[in-house]
Amino acid sequence: DGGITQSPKYLFRKEGQNVTLSCEQNLNHDAMYWYRQDPGQGLRLIYYSQIVNDFQKGDIAEGYSVSREKKESFPLTVTSAQKNPTAFYLCASTGGGASLGNTEAFFGQGTRLTVV
Amino acid sequence: SQKIEQNSEALNIQEGKTATLTCNYTNYSPAYLQWYRQDPGRGPVFLLLIRENEKEKRKERLKVTFDTTLKQSLFHITASQPADSATYLCALQKDTGRRALTFGSGTRLQVQP
Repeated sequence: DGGITQSPKYLFRKEGQNVTLSCEQNLNHDAMYWYRQDPGQGLRLIYYSQIVNDFQKGDIAEGYSVSREKKESFPLTVTSAQKNPTAFYLCASTGGGASLGNTEAFFGQGTRLTVV
Repeated sequence: SQKIEQNSEALNIQEGKTATLTCNYTNYSPAYLQWYRQDPGRGPVFLLLIRENEKEKRKERLKVTFDTTLKQSLFHITASQPADSATYLCALQKDTGRRALTFGSGTRLQVQP
């Protein structure tokens, strides 16, 4: 089955620790995205990548880093510089590529990160 | 700054009635508007997309309208069912530059049997 897989589903981070959230897709989509969702709020864009080896900051990129070395993979690292990382993280992809934007987004099931 | 507003209060309706959800936006000129459904603890699922030059789109019991003059979209679910209970998110998308979806905060719909 084609889709997006996020792992782990739940993640606990200690203060001052970096953690990496995995996102893999087998939809052959060019564009991938990371969003953060806080309780009762909408999705806020952290980073996005419209093509392999290229990515752009979203609205709340501070304290986060990404890489896009393969088309299928777009991991997100939450660094110790992110002061309030506890949230629900969602990865998405779209098939329109860099030249098309009018396509639906496919989302993973999310990773719930908690700082302990 | 860009702002997308959805009614933050939950919408409670009786089964069989039509649910109408509103999405208003400011300081934005979207080329496309999309609606998603999100269940608790899960990722959003795409429902409908409407383009700026389209007034209305339908899919089964769902209908979306898009008024670029009023900067508003309405999302209707006819003959609502308890299984329609979820949070519904609207998302805007440009045609140039940053094409990532910008989301509203969502409206929670509760359909009572």
